[in-house]
Amino acid sequence: QKEVEQNSGPLSVPEGAIASLNCTYSDRGSQSFFWYRQYSGKSPELIMSIYSNGDKEDGRFTAQLNKASQYVSLLIRDSQPSDSATYLCAVPSFKAAGNKLTFGGGTRVLVKP
Amino acid sequence: DTEVTQTPKHLVMGMTNKKSLKCEQHMGHRAMYWYKQKAKKPPELMFVYSYEKLSINESVPSRFSPECPNSSLLNLHLHALQPEDSALYLCASSSLTGANVLTFGAGSRLTVL
Repeated sequence: QKEVEQNSGPLSVPEGAIASLNCTYSDRGSQSFFWYRQYSGKSPELIMSIYSNGDKEDGRFTAQLNKASQYVSLLIRDSQPSDSATYLCAVPSFKAAGNKLTFGGGTRVLVKP
Repeated sequence: DTEVTQTPKHLVMGMTNKKSLKCEQHMGHRAMYWYKQKAKKPPELMFVYSYEKLSINESVPSRFSPECPNSSLLNLHLHALQPEDSALYLCASSSLTGANVLTFGAGSRLTVL
């Protein structure tokens, strides 16, 4: 079982709709979770972090965490063509020496005008 | 100004060449990282330099050699690479207390012929 799993997509959504991205993780002890966005040919950038069960909203983005079920999700409301990118779920792992941020495979999102 | 600067942006090298990738961060961070990213795959951690110590992903072959001249510079020396090492190499930095909040550079696109 992979440490962090995501559907690869592409997830195609019409402009203005809600994009829903899911991520599951294997380490029950994980305490913090991160969403990075990566445009094609560019480097990842952090867009959301969440540490507690429940929802966290930041603008059009909402992160949802359910530690009991070991999943974290990202909702993008009022999707815009500029949201077309790959979204990477990341979870810290402490198995190796030092802190290691493990990325899921990413979900590619396509927002169609 | 870009807060994490990587040079060169593109590098083409033969399998017998020796080259280096350079990374400099201007954020006052005390941790720096090298990631390797293949097409349509997530970033994979290669090296971490934090608390003035270097941590190595044991799966990284010895033809990759990191060097940290000071806390704002992290170089990656390349020697006798293979074509399968062609990838995007991403440098990132973080604070020691916020090690999962990574600021990435724009990346160095490496092609090994």
